[in-house]
Amino acid sequence: DADVTQTPRNRITKTGKRIMLECSQTKGHDRMYWYRQDPGLGLRLIYYSFDVKDINKGEISDGYSVSRQAQAKFSLSLESAIPNQTALYFCATSDQAAGTGNNEQFFGPGTRLTVL
Amino acid sequence: QKEVEQNSGPLSVPEGAIASLNCTYSDRGSQSFFWYRQYSGKSPELIMFIYSNGDKEDGRFTAQLNKASQYVSLLIRDSQPSDSATYLCAVNNLGYSNDMRFGAGTRLTVKP
Repeated sequence: DADVTQTPRNRITKTGKRIMLECSQTKGHDRMYWYRQDPGLGLRLIYYSFDVKDINKGEISDGYSVSRQAQAKFSLSLESAIPNQTALYFCATSDQAAGTGNNEQFFGPGTRLTVL
Repeated sequence: QKEVEQNSGPLSVPEGAIASLNCTYSDRGSQSFFWYRQYSGKSPELIMFIYSNGDKEDGRFTAQLNKASQYVSLLIRDSQPSDSATYLCAVNNLGYSNDMRFGAGTRLTVKP
C-alpha cells in the first residue's frame, strides 16, 4: 500500500544533541512537508519541498534544517535540540495541484520528540 | 490575529445531533479549504475540501464556504460517538508557496 512513514516514532533526547527525523513515501508525490504540532497551536509548517532541488522555509523554520535526499525522502534535523522543540512532528506529502482545488496532504504517523 | 481561527472547544453534542464546526481565515487570497479529522494520538486525515462558495455535501458531512465573510464551516449530521475527534480547518492559497495553514482545531465529543 502506498504510504508515508516516519522514523523514529518516539525519541527522547537531551538539550544540545543533534537529532534527525526521517520521512519516506511511496505515493510518488513530488511535494513533501514537515509540521510540528503543539497543544493549542495546531499544525505549524516548518519546511516544505516541491522537488529534490526545491526547499522552502515555512512559518517556524528557525532551529531546523531539512534535506531532500530523493523524491521519496525528506529529513528534518535539529542541529542543537532545545526543550521548546518538544512536540509531535508530522511529515506530509501532496501531489501537484491539478487545478481542481484539491491538493490534499497525506500525513505520516508522526514522531513524538521530547527534549530534556 | 491568527491566519486560521477555530473555536478550541470542546464541543459536546448528543448522539444523533448536528455538530457545527466553524473556521475563519484572514488571507483573502485563499482558494482551497480543507477539513481534517484527527483522532487522539493519530495523524490528520482529510474529510472534505471545498473551493467554491456554497455548500458541498458528502454523506453526513457538509462543508460550507463564504469567501466574502471569510469563513468555512463543517456540519456533521446524525453525529456518532466515532465522530469524537479534533477537527482541523486548513486553508491554502494555491499560489507558488502552496503551503497549508492550519487552525488549532476544535475538539468534538459526541455523547451516546
